[in-house]
Amino acid sequence: GQQVMQIPQYQHVQEGEDFTTYCNSSTTLSNIQWYKQRPGGHPVFLIQLVKSGEVKKQKRLTFQFGEAKKNSSLHITATQTTDVGTYFCAGAKAGTASKLTFGTGTRLQVTL
Amino acid sequence: NAGVTQTPKFRVLKTGQSMTLLCAQDMNHEYMYWYRQDPGMGLRLIHYSVGEGTTAKGEVPDGYNVSRLKKQNFLLGLESAAPSQTSVYFCASSYSWLAGQGEQYFGPGTRLTVT
Repeated sequence: GQQVMQIPQYQHVQEGEDFTTYCNSSTTLSNIQWYKQRPGGHPVFLIQLVKSGEVKKQKRLTFQFGEAKKNSSLHITATQTTDVGTYFCAGAKAGTASKLTFGTGTRLQVTL
Repeated sequence: NAGVTQTPKFRVLKTGQSMTLLCAQDMNHEYMYWYRQDPGMGLRLIHYSVGEGTTAKGEVPDGYNVSRLKKQNFLLGLESAAPSQTSVYFCASSYSWLAGQGEQYFGPGTRLTVT
């Protein structure tokens, strides 16, 4: 079955440092979504990427979708304590009207 | 709008007991999903529904049943709970007729412990 892996599993940064999480799928995706889950909370949608090579920005967050539509990344510039949480990618398999497969998540800890 | 709500928020069951988790959404979404979240394993899809009266199996359906009698409600049942079903359960819904094309809205979760 489809597998979506994320690295790293955990990252601890000082406030102001940059952070990147990578997402890799075993199959080609029709689109990829990113979610953030604060500690004790529920996943909240951040963004969706559909096109090969697509890059989208949301303030300090930059999202990329790979040319082969099998990988993606989320980069946060100058992290803040409000960025703490777990970031999940979730992909829909290409060619089917299928459900999302979530990645294993990257937990980000930010300290002053 | 309340969005996606789940009841109960917490529950402790003994092995072999049964229970039903209720999910309700007021956004008129066609698609609804049940996930379980375990440490280090992300979110895994249990069952989903593409519309009223329809259900389909996800990645980890064994031990669970679901029903979608009304468009706004999606019920998850555990007929005979097992300790392996200790988890946090999230319900989600989405608008798009193409599953995966639309963002999913999640409920607050139900923390279930089976002893």
